[in-house]
Amino acid sequence: EADIYQTPRYLVIGTGKKITLECSQTMGHDKMYWYQQDPGMELHLIHYSYGVNSTEKGDLSSESTVSRIRTEHFPLTLESARPSHTSQYLCASSEPRENTDTQYFGPGTRLTVL
Amino acid sequence: GQQVMQIPQYQHVQEGEDFTTYCNSSTTLSNIQWYKQRPGGHPVFLIQLVKSGEVKKQKRLTFQFGEAKKNSSLHITATQTTDVGTYFCAGQGTSYDKVIFGPGTSLSVIP
Repeated sequence: EADIYQTPRYLVIGTGKKITLECSQTMGHDKMYWYQQDPGMELHLIHYSYGVNSTEKGDLSSESTVSRIRTEHFPLTLESARPSHTSQYLCASSEPRENTDTQYFGPGTRLTVL
Repeated sequence: GQQVMQIPQYQHVQEGEDFTTYCNSSTTLSNIQWYKQRPGGHPVFLIQLVKSGEVKKQKRLTFQFGEAKKNSSLHITATQTTDVGTYFCAGQGTSYDKVIFGPGTSLSVIP
């Protein structure tokens, strides 16, 4: 199992609050990703990064922002949380080698916005 | 852009029955990966297929990559309750850009 961590694991907050979801990996991977996933449903890529100071928006429009100041750290921020943001947020990292680009997922943060 | 589809979306089987999920890409892939997500958990990498027509086995699981490198399948022989979860395929295009996940097949096993 890979070393990728997410905090908090669970978060319940009120509407309008600013929150930051933390993601760290100790494998030195250049690529990192944020996915949004409702229970039992598909993974939606919301942000990704190919290295320090590189961030891109994913396929699903999101009101969140990310930063990549250090290789190991890829936090996601919601400036003003809304009930529609209630979901599970999964962070992943990968390091392409030859023909492989395996993604290692963190345990996820389950966010509930009241 | 590249799209990856999976069927079926859900499958309920009696314990001991076989199970197959199919993955199809709109474009030719350089490789395809399979992940398993247990209920309440996170996706975990199972295997990667790279070569045209490749077949790989992991105990009761058999993975195939199509000759045209646009489709793949995962077959589980004699399902067990431990097989419960959602199985995702993920394809990477020939330019080795983003890995695109399929929507997943959710497997329920009735004891």
